[in-house]
Amino acid sequence: GENVEQHPSTLSVQEGDSAVIKCTYSDSASNYFPWYKQELGKGPQLIIDIRSNVGEKKDQRIAVTLNKTAKHFSLHITETQPEDSAVYFCAASMNDMRFGAGTRLTVKP
Amino acid sequence: SQTIHQWPATLVQPVGSPLSLECTVEGTSNPNLYWYRQAAGRGLQLLFYSVGIGQISSEVPQNLSASRPQDRQFILSSKKLLLSDSGFYLCAWSGQRIPQHFGDGTRLSIL
Repeated sequence: GENVEQHPSTLSVQEGDSAVIKCTYSDSASNYFPWYKQELGKGPQLIIDIRSNVGEKKDQRIAVTLNKTAKHFSLHITETQPEDSAVYFCAASMNDMRFGAGTRLTVKP
Repeated sequence: SQTIHQWPATLVQPVGSPLSLECTVEGTSNPNLYWYRQAAGRGLQLLFYSVGIGQISSEVPQNLSASRPQDRQFILSSKKLLLSDSGFYLCAWSGQRIPQHFGDGTRLSIL
């Protein structure tokens, strides 16, 4: 089955800097890669996703890149703000979703 | 618009007591429904999913069970809770096979 690894487990950046979170997956058949943001005491919220026929997708300050050959994908947040502080999860799926262990991002004002 | 509701938000139960967590979805019909457990500092583990009324698939053997008595209602249950059942339980729904929309979760503490 699919195995998703996510790095780093914690990330601390200064406000205004960029943050990058990386994930690798094992099943080359996976074709859908969502990213979720989970704030304290809340459920994960889908923030961006990418399908395997696309190499990059951007939505304002958030972008995701996908390298199918290397089987890894990344979340990029530019111009970070304190409200970006949360736990971020990647996932990979073809029929079943498998989640990474999460990255706790802290943006220091 | 679609919304998902989970309750209670927090629950403290003694070992050996029963459990019932409820999840309802509004604004959509025939959703796929999911129960996940999230352990502290870890990812999401799929417990159950349902593609229709009365149809439940279990991903891992465990002390819990799930039921879907109505199209937009998903219930997580246990007859006798164990200490290891403590955790953060999340319900999710989707219009397809992949879960996309999560509730705000129930934090369950077993004493």
